[in-house]
Amino acid sequence: DGGITQSPKYLFRKEGQNVTLSCEQNLNHDAMYWYRQDPGQGLRLIYYSQIVNDFQKGDIAEGYSVSREKKESFPLTVTSAQKNPTAFYLCASSTAGTLSMSQHFGDGTRLSIL
Amino acid sequence: SQQGEEDPQALSIQEGENATMNCSYKTSINNLQWYRQNSGRGLVHLILIRSNEREKHSGRLRVTLDTSKKSSSLLITASRAADTASYFCATDQGTDKLIFGTGTRLQVFP
Repeated sequence: DGGITQSPKYLFRKEGQNVTLSCEQNLNHDAMYWYRQDPGQGLRLIYYSQIVNDFQKGDIAEGYSVSREKKESFPLTVTSAQKNPTAFYLCASSTAGTLSMSQHFGDGTRLSIL
Repeated sequence: SQQGEEDPQALSIQEGENATMNCSYKTSINNLQWYRQNSGRGLVHLILIRSNEREKHSGRLRVTLDTSKKSSSLLITASRAADTASYFCATDQGTDKLIFGTGTRLQVFP
């Protein structure tokens, strides 16, 4: 079955530590997205990529970094510069060229601070 | 804020009743989408309505769009306990990204 896999499901970060969240898709989608979700709030866009080796900042990119070396993979690194990283992180993908079409989501990674 | 707003924030109903939730947005759009999120899971796309459409149906779902009022509504008919979830609207404003609302939490009691 095609879909998006996020790992790990739960992640703990120590002070001053960088952590990387994995996102893999086998939907053959060109576009991929990372969102942050805080309790009682909607999704806020961190980074997105429309094609391999290219990505753009979203609304809250500070303290995060990404790479897009393969079509299937779009890992997100939460750096020590992100002072309030505790949140639910969602990865999504869609068919590029039709950016107004629906997005497919993974089941998220919940990041907490130790 | 660019975000849309859903109304109500929370809604509790009995099985078999209809559930209506509303979404308001601030700028012109190409389309509006509704998503469902079960607790602790990712979002699932439900339905997309384009700016030139006024109403759309999918199974027990009915979506309306009023571009003059910059608002949309999602109606779930004959609700079931399995419909318990958060529901989000998302708008395509002609940029490279969707703008998500803050969501409505729906609780359906058996």
